[in-house]
Amino acid sequence: GQNIDQPTEMTATEGAIVQINCTYQTSGFNGLFWYQQHAGEAPTFLSYNVLDGLEEKGRFSSFLSRSKGYSYLLLKELQMKDSASYLCAARGSNYQLIWGAGTKLIIKP
Amino acid sequence: KAGVTQTPRYLIKTRGQQVTLSCSPISGHRSVSWYQQTPGQGLQFLFEYFSETQRNKGNFPGRFSGRQFSNSRSEMNVSTLELGDSALYLCASSLEGDGNQPQHFGDGTRLSIL
Repeated sequence: GQNIDQPTEMTATEGAIVQINCTYQTSGFNGLFWYQQHAGEAPTFLSYNVLDGLEEKGRFSSFLSRSKGYSYLLLKELQMKDSASYLCAARGSNYQLIWGAGTKLIIKP
Repeated sequence: KAGVTQTPRYLIKTRGQQVTLSCSPISGHRSVSWYQQTPGQGLQFLFEYFSETQRNKGNFPGRFSGRQFSNSRSEMNVSTLELGDSALYLCASSLEGDGNQPQHFGDGTRLSIL
């Protein structure tokens, strides 16, 4: 079957670094997305990976290993506004996105 | 460029009624997907429409249906509402729903069933 696993909740300290992991299993693979969702708001697109390696975008980086079915989102210099849920989604072979349940990230001062 | 627009934002219905939700995608986007989101459940995929055709469907009962018009606007309908249908319904659009094209989400319709 197709599924995505990511931790339910993580806690980190303001100014620190946190890594949110995601493992996926899909029928075919056409890329992996990360989204951020603040409470009460819609998800917003953060990053896309289709090739192995690290993609960096400012304080956020995303890594993909296709052979391991694994991705992570790395957040550096954490700010209080980074408190949100982070959703991992993989695109299979039939255009459909398979979504993880999301990781709630709590930032403490 | 206007984003994805969903109407209405909030809706209260009673069990047994039916409801229609509307979604206007970003101009030029032809793929529209619908999701149900409840606390702790993440995004549950309902269906995706592309060029007026349902291209993918999730594991929801037949009470949930949708359609897409020639201008890419989409509607979803839920009949015989149940208490468990209370949720945030999100619509997302993308150019063609393929490759590196991300989905862009509307603010959602929050449906409450009494």
